[in-house]
Amino acid sequence: AQSVAQPEDQVNVAEGNPLTVKCTYSVSGNPYLFWYVQYPNRGLQFLLKYITGDNLVKGSYGFEAEFNKSQTSFHLKKPSALVSDSALYFCAVSPGSGNTPLVFGKGTRLSVIA
Amino acid sequence: DTAVSQTPKYLVTQMGNDKSIKCEQNLGHDTMYWYKQDSKKFLKIMFSYNNKELIINETVPNRFSPKSPDKAHLNLHINSLELGDSAVYFCASSQEGPRGYTFGSGTRLTVV
Repeated sequence: AQSVAQPEDQVNVAEGNPLTVKCTYSVSGNPYLFWYVQYPNRGLQFLLKYITGDNLVKGSYGFEAEFNKSQTSFHLKKPSALVSDSALYFCAVSPGSGNTPLVFGKGTRLSVIA
Repeated sequence: DTAVSQTPKYLVTQMGNDKSIKCEQNLGHDTMYWYKQDSKKFLKIMFSYNNKELIINETVPNRFSPKSPDKAHLNLHINSLELGDSAVYFCASSQEGPRGYTFGSGTRLTVV
């Protein structure tokens, strides 16, 4: 069975500094990997996905993520954090078929301090 | 046009009542899902339907009954609501292949 671990409940970063939100996964076969963001009292917004190809994936709002197969990781990064990036971030995985449910990590709350 | 729409957005009801949440997608996707987000923000799959057929039914109480009249709709009916059912329920859809998943904006259910 697939699983996702987000080891940090909370990440604090100063505005303008780079940010990283960690994610590791466990899945058989080649995974589809996703990052979603949830702002307070809002739905899930898609940020980016890795399906195949280049290990560095660029997404919305300046975010990017690096797929590392040997470390089974898919960390979310941004070179310069904004206060408006403060939100709850979810990493998710599916086993590569596209019609099986996403399995989500528990979420990481990002707080960007001015 | 909204790709995955859920109604209602908010639902406040008393314990013991029966309620339904509706979901519709206009993406032509074959598969639809219901997720529950609890008070700790954890997202867990409840049901998965593919072309109107139930594929996945996680350990969800029998009081929860999904219904898919066609592949564009997946409704969730909940009988005898309990306080612990209070959560945000998300509908989603997907298609075979790497196109990703689309989520509705959620329904916040509060049982009092």
